[in-house]
Amino acid sequence: EDQVTQSPEALRLQEGESSSLNCSYTVSGLRGLFWYRQDPGKGPEFLFTLYSAGEEKEKERLKATLTKKESFLHITAPKPEDSATYLCAVLPTFSGGYNKLIFGAGTRLAVHP
Amino acid sequence: DAGITQSPRHKVTETGTPVTLRCHQTENHRYMYWYRQDPGHGLRLIHYSYGVKDTDKGEVSDGYSVSRSKTEDFLLTLESATSSQTSVYFCAISESWTELDSNQPQHFGDGTRLSIL
Repeated sequence: EDQVTQSPEALRLQEGESSSLNCSYTVSGLRGLFWYRQDPGKGPEFLFTLYSAGEEKEKERLKATLTKKESFLHITAPKPEDSATYLCAVLPTFSGGYNKLIFGAGTRLAVHP
Repeated sequence: DAGITQSPRHKVTETGTPVTLRCHQTENHRYMYWYRQDPGHGLRLIHYSYGVKDTDKGEVSDGYSVSRSKTEDFLLTLESATSSQTSVYFCAISESWTELDSNQPQHFGDGTRLSIL
């Protein structure tokens, strides 16, 4: 069964304290992995798409990486405005019917001054 | 921000009543989706649409129906609401979602918080 697991569920950091969020997945084949940011009371906001192992994408203090079994979202020198829930989603190999995007439950990140 | 408007943003209703949620987009995207988000769960697909009057079921479609009579509008209906349908509902859109264009990300509205008492 296709599955996405994110860890930790919640993470508290001090401002400037770098860390990483994990997204591990089990799918028959991967066509894409997506990272989103979600603020309270808002919808998910698209951050990155990764397609193949070894690929990396960066945006400001965020860098996403991908291996064959997991993806990491590295946060360098975070600021309080980086506080949000980060969602990971995978798009498995097309198997007929609809293209099912599978979401993890998310990691709640709190960055304190 | 993607031009997606969900209405209402909040709703409280009673068990057994019908409820309709609306999603309106200004991007002219072909694909539209309805998800629900519950604590401890990832976003789960309820229904999706791949064109006007073309819809199909997602993984949690029981108790829900949808309609799309115009490109810009996608309606989600709970025929007879139950307490288990208390959730936050999100609409999403994408330009395409075929086997060849699967890299198109989905963009989300800000959700409708629905409480069923």
